[in-house]
Amino acid sequence: QSVLTQPPSVSGAPGQKVTISCIGSSSNIGEGYDVHWYQQFPGTAPKLLIYANSNRPSGVPDRFSGSKSGTSASLAITGLQAEDEADYYCQSYDTRLSGSVVFGGGTKLTVL
Amino acid sequence: EVQLVESGGGLVQPGGSLRLSCAASGFTFRSYEMTWVRQAPGKGLEWVSYISSSGSHIYYADSVKGRFTISRDNANNSLYLQMNSLSAEDTAVYYCARVHSQELWVFDNWGQGTLVTVSS
Repeated sequence: QSVLTQPPSVSGAPGQKVTISCIGSSSNIGEGYDVHWYQQFPGTAPKLLIYANSNRPSGVPDRFSGSKSGTSASLAITGLQAEDEADYYCQSYDTRLSGSVVFGGGTKLTVL
Repeated sequence: EVQLVESGGGLVQPGGSLRLSCAASGFTFRSYEMTWVRQAPGKGLEWVSYISSSGSHIYYADSVKGRFTISRDNANNSLYLQMNSLSAEDTAVYYCARVHSQELWVFDNWGQGTLVTVSS
């Protein structure tokens, strides 16, 4: 069971908007640690999609946006495209025990 | 272009050892912190270890502490992960990743990964 909780799957039709949640706790997101998002296609390495809650690396379309509030964060994808079908992971830092980078369990996005 | 190329994966028996390497190019390796992240087959991402740019600060996930050792050779632009006392739970694709220059714990470039299989 992951420290950060994501829905196992979400889906949407082309052109629609989908949101992926990432629920943490007072020892990670709620403690003030930033949330980052990665996109991973089958058989390939993860790619940084959003960092520090809402920042996009160069080259990432502005259809992708992130937000954070309290002990949770969200990734929103607008104007859904077939090529957005992938796994998405949130990541933060957790202060429990000796401290550690933590990932969500991942969310499979299906474009209908 | 940033490139990270892992090598050294393979099949190893339980209790065995393996050393992974990550060859870096396209950036000033000695200036960047680095990390290892793994992904078991069909599972999510799991952070493994971190090393500062000079190698003076090192951190491990509890799951590998005492068994894995991260190191780097800045003269040869290389990152390493020495893995000892391996068990089936260590079976995974191991990725090396670069830490963002201005944002701690952000992994902005990843290698293609190397598969480690622990089985008898």
